[in-house]
Amino acid sequence: GAVVSQHPSRVICKSGTSVKIECRSLDFQATTMFWYRQFPKQSLMLMATSNEGSKATYEQGVEKDKFLINHASLTLSTLTVTSAHPEDSSFYICSATEGTGGVQYFGPGTRLTVT
Amino acid sequence: AQSVSQHNHHVILSEAASLELGCNYSYGGTVNLFWYVQYPGQHLQLLLKYFSGDPLVKGIKGFEAEFIKSKFSFNLRKPSVQWSDTAEYFCAVKGNRDDKIIFGKGTRLHILP
Repeated sequence: GAVVSQHPSRVICKSGTSVKIECRSLDFQATTMFWYRQFPKQSLMLMATSNEGSKATYEQGVEKDKFLINHASLTLSTLTVTSAHPEDSSFYICSATEGTGGVQYFGPGTRLTVT
Repeated sequence: AQSVSQHNHHVILSEAASLELGCNYSYGGTVNLFWYVQYPGQHLQLLLKYFSGDPLVKGIKGFEAEFIKSKFSFNLRKPSVQWSDTAEYFCAVKGNRDDKIIFGKGTRLHILP
């Protein structure tokens, strides 16, 4: 099956710093990648959709200047949390689709803790 | 607005019991439907999906789901659960012309050995 990796799996950073999270599709070319945020005991909240080579489409209420998404290639998307604050602490998950099949393959997630 | 509703937040069953997890969606158009599972400490995995055709879909590990269009439902079933089915289950819907998936809030399933 299609595999999606994320790096790092856990990161702790200080308030005011920026953190970059990578999402890679390992054995397929991802035409579209998605970034989610998951709060404890809650569902996944879609943050943005990104297509290779174009600007990401952000969901309502998600600050695009704070959560910078770069989808530079068909196998890599990055999410940079800029000037992180404790309220940005969360579990960030990416997913990727291959072609127009509709099935999303999920990465293992990155737990961000901002102190 | 598009939405997915999962009726049970937390279900506890004994091994060999039958399982049915409810899922209803709200979407004005043709949909693709999914059930994803997240085992403890692992990432989300696709359990099964419905795009078209036979409304009774079979997935991995003995799970199945039935799409009932008139009821906007896509309930997940398994005739006999195992301890290893302990996980969180998410129902999700996607418009067939959309990229993004809308997830339900999840059902935490706990199987007693």
